[in-house]
This record gives sequence, structure tokens and C-alpha cells, in this order.
Amino acid sequence: NAGVTQTPKFQVLKTGQSMTLQCAQDMNHNSMYWYRQDPGMGLRLIYYSASEGTTDKGEVPNGYNVSRLNKREFSLRLESAAPSQTSVYFCASSEYTANNSPLHFGNGTRLTVT
Amino acid sequence: SQKIEQNSEALNIQEGKTATLTCNYTNYSPAYLQWYRQDPGRGPVFLLLIRENEKEKRKERLKVTFDTTLKQSLFHITASQPADSATYLCAALGTGANNLFFGTGTRLTVIP
Repeated sequence: NAGVTQTPKFQVLKTGQSMTLQCAQDMNHNSMYWYRQDPGMGLRLIYYSASEGTTDKGEVPNGYNVSRLNKREFSLRLESAAPSQTSVYFCASSEYTANNSPLHFGNGTRLTVT
Repeated sequence: SQKIEQNSEALNIQEGKTATLTCNYTNYSPAYLQWYRQDPGRGPVFLLLIRENEKEKRKERLKVTFDTTLKQSLFHITASQPADSATYLCAALGTGANNLFFGTGTRLTVIP
């Protein structure tokens, strides 16, 4: 089992460019999440999807959009990248809600916006 | 606002000793706390989940406590080994069933 797979692993963008971060899980989990991790800030939730067909904003959603394409896949889109979006992005999934289900994380996408 | 704080940014201990990491929460009362391990360049890996009525939970050399009076969770690694060196994160639910808040982590180094 691959678990949670994120692509790409690294990306450099210029300010104003757009890109989509891809995430897929093979554990048949219902919930999926996008976090960003910055030094001194910890992991912050951008968006989540409690089940196929639903998405909700987390703590820091501005500048991002998401799509829950099917039960396996949850993508994160930056429409017009800004230097403040330089970060490491983690996708995660859980069988049920994060309330009592552990999260399974991918190994991250390291994004630099110049 | 709801907060999860891990007061120690870094902790160095000698191999064989017990490492104790602290997680404090303020302005709310989570029903669950979770602990994760993160190695450099990798995503966090789930270790333990403790419910507010459990007080203590163990898994091999790991022990977690949950003190709702002190609003604190302690994470212990007994007989620590250099392979335990990593960053440890605590997490608790904020508003809503899917909004898991993470602390900034404690970087543990076990010295041989």
C-alpha cells in the first residue's frame, strides 16, 4: 500500500503563476485534508473534505481552492501564487472525521514562490 | 482563540533516559488529543490518541497522559534510543469535527 501520495515533491513558481498540487490515497478513507507547514507556525489546515462531494475551509483558506475529484483524490490549486505561499504542503486522510481517527500524511510538496 | 502549545522547541536527553514532552491547550476543552512523530523531509506519522476520560495510554515504550484540570498532555518515551530522535507534534480538535489543530512541535535529540 502506498498510503497517501503527493505530487510533485518540489516546485518553484514565479509570482502570479498557477499550479495544482495532487493528492491520492489508497486506504478508502472518507476524509481528506490539506495543511501547510511553516517554521515556527506548525501545521495549519487550509481546506478539508469530510466526504466525497464536500469541501470546507480550514484556518487559512485564502488564495487556495480545492477539488475532491472522487473518494481517492483531493487536489489543491493556487490560482495566482504569492511569495507568502512558499511553504511545505501536506495532504492527509482519515477513515472518519479527525475527531477520533488518526490522520495519515503524505510526504509533502515543497513549494517556493519567487 | 483555541490554542495548542508545545513549550519546548528542543529537548536533548541521554540514551536510556525517559524523555517527557509537554503539550498545553487553552481556551477550550478537547475530547481527544493526538500525538505524531515527524522526521526531517517526511510527513507526520500518527503515534497515539488519548480520550479525555482515559487519563493514560501506553504503546510499547510510549506513554501519554491527559490532565483536563491542568489542560495538559504529557508524552513519555522510556528507555530512549537515538532512533527516537525526531520532532513530536501534539494535536487536538478545534471547532468542527475535522479541524485538527497542531502544536509547533518539540524536536527531541537522543544522545548516544
